Amino acid sequence: GQQVMQIPQYQHVQEGEDFTTYCNSSTTLSNIQWYKQRPGGHPVFLIQLVKSGEVKKQKRLTFQFGEAKKNSSLHITATQTTDVGTYFCAGGGNKLVFGAGTILRVKS
Amino acid sequence: GAGVSQTPSNKVTEKGKYVELRCDPISGHTALYWYRQSLGQGPEFLIYFQGTGAADDSGLPNDRFFAVRPEGSVSTLKIQRTERGDSAVYLCASSSIAGPYNEQFFGPGTRLTVL
Repeated sequence: GQQVMQIPQYQHVQEGEDFTTYCNSSTTLSNIQWYKQRPGGHPVFLIQLVKSGEVKKQKRLTFQFGEAKKNSSLHITATQTTDVGTYFCAGGGNKLVFGAGTILRVKS
Repeated sequence: GAGVSQTPSNKVTEKGKYVELRCDPISGHTALYWYRQSLGQGPEFLIYFQGTGAADDSGLPNDRFFAVRPEGSVSTLKIQRTERGDSAVYLCASSSIAGPYNEQFFGPGTRLTVL
């Protein structure tokens, strides 16, 4: 079945540094969604990418969807302590297939 | 309600017992999803409903797991003869309609511990 892999598993950055997480699918995706889960919380939808090569921005967050629609990335510029949490990518439509997530810790 | 609610928030049971986990979706959402999340992992799909019917139950791990949504709103996930390996956080999500391009709104989850 479809598999979604994320790297790195964990990243600890100094506040103000940038952060990037990468997502790779074993199959071509119709779309990809990104979710954020705060410690002790539940996944919260951030954004969806649909088109090949699509780039979307939300303030300090930049999301990209690869040309082949098999990979994606999330980049955070100048991290803040409020960015702490686990970032998941998910593909597969109705039955979302999640990656294992990247845990972001920010040192102030 | 304002969001997806799940009860109980925590459930501790003994191996072999039966448990029911409840999900109340956002009012008006016709699609409802169940996921299971183990520590350090992403949510794993179990089943989803469009209205009252289970549209895809391919993620249910075995026949000890069953879910219903009799009136197209509240859903109950039922686990028979629980095993220690069933311990996880069970997440419910809903969306306005089923479809691959729809945002899913997650509830707070039920943490199930099987002793």
